[in-house]
Parts: sequence; C-alpha cells; structure tokens
Amino acid sequence: RKEVEQDPGPFNVPEGATVAFNCTYSNSASQSFFWYRQDCRKEPKLLMSVYSSGNEDGRFTAQLNRASQYISLLIRDSKLSDSATYLCVVNRGATNKLIFGTGTLLAVQP
Amino acid sequence: EAGVAQSPRYKIIEKRQSVAFWCNPISGHATLYWYQQILGQGPKLLIQFQNNGVVDDSQLPKDRFSAERLKGVDSTLKIQPAKLEDSAVYLCASSLINRGKTGVYEQYFGPGTRLTVT
Repeated sequence: RKEVEQDPGPFNVPEGATVAFNCTYSNSASQSFFWYRQDCRKEPKLLMSVYSSGNEDGRFTAQLNRASQYISLLIRDSKLSDSATYLCVVNRGATNKLIFGTGTLLAVQP
Repeated sequence: EAGVAQSPRYKIIEKRQSVAFWCNPISGHATLYWYQQILGQGPKLLIQFQNNGVVDDSQLPKDRFSAERLKGVDSTLKIQPAKLEDSAVYLCASSLINRGKTGVYEQYFGPGTRLTVT
C-alpha cells in the first residue's frame, strides 16, 4: 500500500464548477501536510499547507482529519488556469522528508 | 531572488552509459534534495543533504546512483550505468534549515532534468 494515496483522475470540470480532491495517508506519525501544484512539464510548487482547523486561500480550501488520516482540497469557481496536477504531500517530521502522492489531474474545460 | 538552477534540462543516453546532473540551490539554503519523478507518479526522494552531510539516502540505488555536495552548496547526481527504468525527471529542491513563519520547511524545486534512457 502506498503511504499517500490519491485518485489520479482525470477530473474534467467546466469553468465555474466546484471540485474536491481527497487523499489518505497511512503513517500516523506524519506531522505536516501540503498540497502542491504541478503544471505539465514543470516543477511542483507549494499551493498551501493543510491544518486541522482548515485553511482557506481565496478559492482554495484545505482540510485535515487526523483521526481518519484524510486530507482534502476544495477548489471553488474553477478557472482554466487551475488545470494542473495536484499533489498531496506529507512531511514525516524531523528531517523534512516529503512523501508525495501520485497526483490528481484536473482539466478545467471552457 | 534566483531560484534553484539545474542542468542539463534534457539528456538522452543509451543504457549502460553514465550521466551526471548538476544543481545549484537557492542562496542560503542549507538543505538540498534530489528527487526522481517517473511519468505518472509523484516525486520520490533519492537523497537529502544538510550542508555537505547526507541526512537520508535510504531510497538511493547505491549500486548505480551517487551524489555529492562537497562544499555544501551545489550538488551533482550521477548514474552509472544507466538502465531503461531510470528514464524520469530528476528534480532538485532546496530549503532553509530553520522553520519558516508557517512552521514548515518549504521546499523550492528546480525545473528538473528530463532523462531518457534508450
């Protein structure tokens, strides 16, 4: 079983739609959680950190459920420019080692 | 501020040949990481340096892969001999040694080197 699991998609949604991605992690010792965005043939970039209290950045909302070992990302009012792969990432802690999921591909259609 | 630099951007070699990749991290970043990203997968950490010391190389195939960061700044990753399954993008990332204001160490990635082994 992979340590971080995501639905690879693709998720094809129309502009303006709301879309949600989910992710589960298996190591209960994981300490920090993130969503990274990776555009086609580009490097990953940090989108946002994920906290138990939930956090919001504009149209993006991330949520962590430590009891269920579950992370989510909600994108409201999707834009064409949101088309990318969204990587769920877990940090095990002391050494800042990042464990990446396989990513979920989002394609926003006009 | 300049980002993480990597070269070459693309490399095509035949199996059993050797290849080397170079990375220059963001100035002041003590921690440097090499990742392998196979098509359709997320990046996988190969090796992590803090200054010129190795922190984690548990997933580095040491029979064919080697890496060094002799002066604690730039780094090279070498594959010798290459296999077909080494075809991937090799990403270098760097981070500060201390936690930022968000309490996490943000890693900044370079553009990667796309390796094709034929």
